[in-house]
Amino acid sequence: DTGVSQDPRHKITKRGQNVTFRCDPISEHNRLYWYRQTLGQGPEFLTYFQNEAQLEKSRLLSDRFSAERPKGSFSTLEIQRTEQGDSAMYLCASSLRQGEDQPQHFGDGTRLSIL
Amino acid sequence: SQKIEQNSEALNIQEGKTATLTCNYTNYSPAYLQWYRQDPGRGPVFLLLIRENEKEKRKERLKVTFDTTLKQSLFHITASQPADSATYLCAQFNNAGNMLTFGGGTRLMVKP
Repeated sequence: DTGVSQDPRHKITKRGQNVTFRCDPISEHNRLYWYRQTLGQGPEFLTYFQNEAQLEKSRLLSDRFSAERPKGSFSTLEIQRTEQGDSAMYLCASSLRQGEDQPQHFGDGTRLSIL
Repeated sequence: SQKIEQNSEALNIQEGKTATLTCNYTNYSPAYLQWYRQDPGRGPVFLLLIRENEKEKRKERLKVTFDTTLKQSLFHITASQPADSATYLCAQFNNAGNMLTFGGGTRLMVKP
């Protein structure tokens, strides 16, 4: 079990630029989730995938955000035309299957800072 | 929509004492509640899960209770150690089982 890995760990960019984050889930996990976390708050759900299908998107996910999971393996989260309010920790998690009894395995996140 | 509330104030306790953290939820009672630990700059790490028909769940020095009448879960760490210092998050899935909602977390500081 190599765990969930995220890349990069830190990203600093100017407002208006596009950024892309990558998440590699645990290999046999079907479900992959993206969350956003700001200082002092718990993670907020953004979207999730069952294999390659994106099944749910939060209202937090504006049109500037897009996520993909080609071939049901790794996933990318892209933010276009970044804004100051996008500064946060972006967390990826995976779980073996659907179910409320399924724990989620998190990566250590990508911290995004918008100048 | 479901809300999960945790005490936002940090909990400071002395090493060796029992830490008790509270998680309250509104609206519907979830079938399961999950607890996670998060260290600064790291992702949350799953600790324990308790079902609605389980009054109590234990794992080593950790104990979780679930009171569906009070709509509350308590998380206990007995014989606390400085290494237990972290933020503890409770979470539950929505009714469809596809979206995990987290509380804001409670920061625990264990002083030697």
